[in-house]
Amino acid sequence: KQEVTQIPAALSVPEGENLVLNCSFTDSAIYNLQWFRQDPGKGLTSLLLIQSSQREQTSGRLNASLDKSSGRSTLYIAASQPGDSATYLCAVTNAGNNRKLIWGLGTSLAVNP
Amino acid sequence: DTEVTQTPKHLVMGMTNKKSLKCEQHMGHRAMYWYKQKAKKPPELMFVYSYEKLSINESVPSRFSPECPNSSLLNLHLHALQPEDSALYLCASSQAGQGTNSQHFGDGTRLSIL
Repeated sequence: KQEVTQIPAALSVPEGENLVLNCSFTDSAIYNLQWFRQDPGKGLTSLLLIQSSQREQTSGRLNASLDKSSGRSTLYIAASQPGDSATYLCAVTNAGNNRKLIWGLGTSLAVNP
Repeated sequence: DTEVTQTPKHLVMGMTNKKSLKCEQHMGHRAMYWYKQKAKKPPELMFVYSYEKLSINESVPSRFSPECPNSSLLNLHLHALQPEDSALYLCASSQAGQGTNSQHFGDGTRLSIL
């Protein structure tokens, strides 16, 4: 059974720092991996999606990497800003079932001015 | 601004009431989803519609009844809910094929059961 773990559960950093959020999964037979952001009381915003055949994706200050064989992904945020404060969720879809997302519990990020 | 629109944003209802949650998207997506999310937890999948047909029901109690009247709309009909059903209900949509299936979420309906 696929399980997704995110470390750390919470992170507080000063503005301007580069930071890394970690996601690990137990079954390497994934279809893709997606990083989401959720602001309090709001829906989820898709940040980056990495297909199983890809190694990384970039969008602005965000870079997500995928090492399928080791069951790991990282989300790198460069030059963090207070507006980056949110919960970041990692989710995978298993090969053969690309409708169902299997979620980590998220990392709650606070970027302090 | 989200491309998936959910109404209402907030709903308070008694356990004997009947109400409906609505979701609309105009991205041409043919897969639509309902999720339930409790505080500080990830979303839990409830239902998936693919090409307007129910393809996944995650053993959701019958007091929740989904409906997909057309490719842009998704409803969730609620009847005789319990206090533990209070949660944020999220709608999402994606392309329906076997390719990229990035899911796009609405802002949700915050449901409180009295």
